[in-house]
Amino acid sequence: AQRVTQPEKLLSVFKGAPVELKCNYSYSGSPELFWYVQYSRQRLQLLLRHISRESIKGFTADLNKGETSFHLKKPFAQEEDSAMYYCALSGTGNTPLVFGKGTRLSVIA
Amino acid sequence: DTGVSQNPRHKITKRGQNVTFRCDPISEHNRLYWYRQTLGQGPEFLTYFQNEAQLEKSRLLSDRFSAERPKGSFSTLEIQRTEQGDSAMYLCASSLERGNGYTFGSGTRLTVV
Repeated sequence: AQRVTQPEKLLSVFKGAPVELKCNYSYSGSPELFWYVQYSRQRLQLLLRHISRESIKGFTADLNKGETSFHLKKPFAQEEDSAMYYCALSGTGNTPLVFGKGTRLSVIA
Repeated sequence: DTGVSQNPRHKITKRGQNVTFRCDPISEHNRLYWYRQTLGQGPEFLTYFQNEAQLEKSRLLSDRFSAERPKGSFSTLEIQRTEQGDSAMYLCASSLERGNGYTFGSGTRLTVV
């Protein structure tokens, strides 16, 4: 079974502080991992995917198969980063995404 | 193309009534997904289509739920004999078969009173 765990419901950081949103997964095969973001009053949108190995809006995430983690990081938080963040997993064969429960990031000025 | 479109945005219905939601995906996307989201939860998978074929249904999708995607274009999700527990945000998303992630619609918020 595929499972995604985001242990923090809420994470508050000060502007300019580093951010790390945790994501752990459970899957026996080779997963594809994603981070989605939902800003206030906007639709859910893709932030980044592990296979692209890119940085979007200063965020990066590295897939650690040994620790089954895909934590989202940013060195310096901005107020506009305040949003709901969801980690998601797709299994072998491009199976439908399984989402975590999400973490609300609040960046305090 | 303005992305994934869902109608209506909000629906309030009495318990026991039937409701139908519509999703118009991005035209070149052959996969279409339905998810449900309740307060404090992430989106939960309901069902998905590849073109007009319904390939998978979650056990969350009871017999009261039915989804169609005629001609592989728009999709409808119908809930019969609605219950208060059906109150949720219903999300539609589309993607290419081997795509770069999903594009989500704004959702339809259902309230069953």
